[in-house]
Amino acid sequence: DSGVTQTPKHLITATGQRVTLRCSPRSGDLSVYWYQQSLDQGLQFLIQYYNGEERAKGNILERFSAQQFPDLHSELNLSSLELGDSALYFCASSLGGGSGQGNYGYTFGSGTRLTVV
Amino acid sequence: LAKTTQPISMDSYEGQEVNITCSHNNIATNDYITWYQQFPSQGPRFIIQGYKTKVTNEVASLFIPADRKSSTLSLPRVSLSDTAVYYCLVGDGDYKLSFGAGTTVTVRA
Repeated sequence: DSGVTQTPKHLITATGQRVTLRCSPRSGDLSVYWYQQSLDQGLQFLIQYYNGEERAKGNILERFSAQQFPDLHSELNLSSLELGDSALYFCASSLGGGSGQGNYGYTFGSGTRLTVV
Repeated sequence: LAKTTQPISMDSYEGQEVNITCSHNNIATNDYITWYQQFPSQGPRFIIQGYKTKVTNEVASLFIPADRKSSTLSLPRVSLSDTAVYYCLVGDGDYKLSFGAGTTVTVRA
């Protein structure tokens, strides 16, 4: 158990639908990162939140959005789902927010496997 | 952020030492070098991190030459369970970049 909790573990939904993925960071970590990993692709950075505020954005589609709540858990919302959105979605957390604060490493959750049919 | 280059794949046998070299020619002064391990359908797991010279933990060693333009992850006496993808990342804590393809290490009996 890494300390980062992601729910649900598996999700099957139809095209055009909307889903919400949830992540609870490791205790004490302030940053949450979301990554997408499709078949045969590396981990693609989507977005980072630090202490409730958006810190960095990667290749996140406009149909996707995220937020981090006061208790530091985060949700990734995926809407108007397409077949190509089927992937593993990972959440990671870290103590710091980057920007020269040194590197504390990321702790990843076990992921949510999204299947769009 | 520094771009990294590492081999796509490596094969080894149980009990051997595996060394994976990562090139990062434009590493910045504040950058650390971090390696992660990922098994299929699991999230990456932090292995080791270093800034310069040599770092060793219970899992691996990380060798960083003085110019810091490359680094080598050393996995001593690998077993079948070390078969995984290994990623090299360079940065000061902001990993906005993707992890890349990593190095797929296959350990055979």
